[in-house]
Amino acid sequence: RKEVEQDPGPFNVPEGATVAFNCTYSNSASQSFFWYRQDCRKEPKLLMSVYSSGNEDGRFTAQLNRASQYISLLIRDSKLSDSATYLCVVENRDDKIIFGKGTRLHILP
Amino acid sequence: SQTIHQWPATLVQPVGSPLSLECTVEGTSNPNLYWYRQAAGRGLQLLFYSVGIGQISSEVPQNLSASRPQDRQFILSSKKLLLSDSGFYLCASGQGSIDNQPQHFGDGTRLSIL
Repeated sequence: RKEVEQDPGPFNVPEGATVAFNCTYSNSASQSFFWYRQDCRKEPKLLMSVYSSGNEDGRFTAQLNRASQYISLLIRDSKLSDSATYLCVVENRDDKIIFGKGTRLHILP
Repeated sequence: SQTIHQWPATLVQPVGSPLSLECTVEGTSNPNLYWYRQAAGRGLQLLFYSVGIGQISSEVPQNLSASRPQDRQFILSSKKLLLSDSGFYLCASGQGSIDNQPQHFGDGTRLSIL
């Protein structure tokens, strides 16, 4: 089983819709989780950290489920500018960080 | 806040030539440092990470090597580049796992091997 797994997509979603991605991780000792956004040919940018209690930033909501070992990202009222690849990132206790391969999102006008 | 300087931004090299990519970090001390590669159509792959001077861990067997001669300097090298070394290389830094500290990234180097 891969350490961090994501559905590669692409997710083709009409503008204004709600879309959600999941990411599973295999190491139960993982302790930090993030969602990054990566635009084509650019470096990934931190979108939001994922806290145990769940957290929200505007239209974006992140959740962590330690029992099932997955994190999720929900985007409400999607915009054309949300089109990007969303990377799930997991950090382990040995300071190693692992990137998922990303989920591609296309917002359609 | 941390700032990562990575250069060059773009590099075109012939097969068999040597490589040296440099990454320096400002605004922190004793960072964890990382080199990633993103090959075309694939996700980010961790190549090396370092938790201190002279301490390098390699994640995948490859044609590349890394060194950390100073606390805030991380160098990616190769003696002889292969076509498969083409890709986008990212340097990143972090301060371990305290309170979900995010990682910081350089602007990346796009390496094309001819």
